[in-house]
Amino acid sequence: DGGITQSPKYLFRKEGQNVTLSCEQNLNHDAMYWYRQDPGQGLRLIYYSQIVNDFQKGDIAEGYSVSREKKESFPLTVTSAQKNPTAFYLCASSMGDGANVLTFGAGSRLTVL
Amino acid sequence: GQNIDQPTEMTATEGAIVQINCTYQTSGFNGLFWYQQHAGEAPTFLSYNVLDGLEEKGRFSSFLSRSKGYSYLLLKELQMKDSASYLCAVRDRGGGGNKLTFGTGTQLKVEL
Repeated sequence: DGGITQSPKYLFRKEGQNVTLSCEQNLNHDAMYWYRQDPGQGLRLIYYSQIVNDFQKGDIAEGYSVSREKKESFPLTVTSAQKNPTAFYLCASSMGDGANVLTFGAGSRLTVL
Repeated sequence: GQNIDQPTEMTATEGAIVQINCTYQTSGFNGLFWYQQHAGEAPTFLSYNVLDGLEEKGRFSSFLSRSKGYSYLLLKELQMKDSASYLCAVRDRGGGGNKLTFGTGTQLKVEL
């Protein structure tokens, strides 16, 4: 079955450590996105990529980094520069044009201890 | 930038009808989406409106008025499983064209 796989589902990190969240899709979608979700706030866009080897900053990119070396993969690194990293992270993909319906992964919950 | 407003919480009775409103302000409107999200899970697509009017899909319908910057999601014959957060999202032509801005979501609780 086609879909988006995020891992790990739960992750604990000490302050000062970088952590990488995995996102893999087998939908043959061109575009991929990373959103952050906090209680009482809408999904906020961190980074997005419309084609391989290209990506753009979203609204809250500071303290995060991404890569898009393969069409199916879009990992997100939460660096130690991110001041408040505890959140629910959602990866999504879309065909990139038209109605741009996003398909989301199940999410990764990161907790900084 | 964009501003999207929707109620934080709503409560409704099983079998009833509920309407969740969403208002938005954007300079280059290019579509409005509704997603459903159960707690701790991925959002799932419900509906898409780009032209004025009503889109019906089973028990769910979505309405759009571009001149008023207004949309609503109508849920009929409510079931307990409809208890979830409903996210309104607007696509804007600017800034790359493929980004969505989400509202904070409306938490719907369906009671017996």
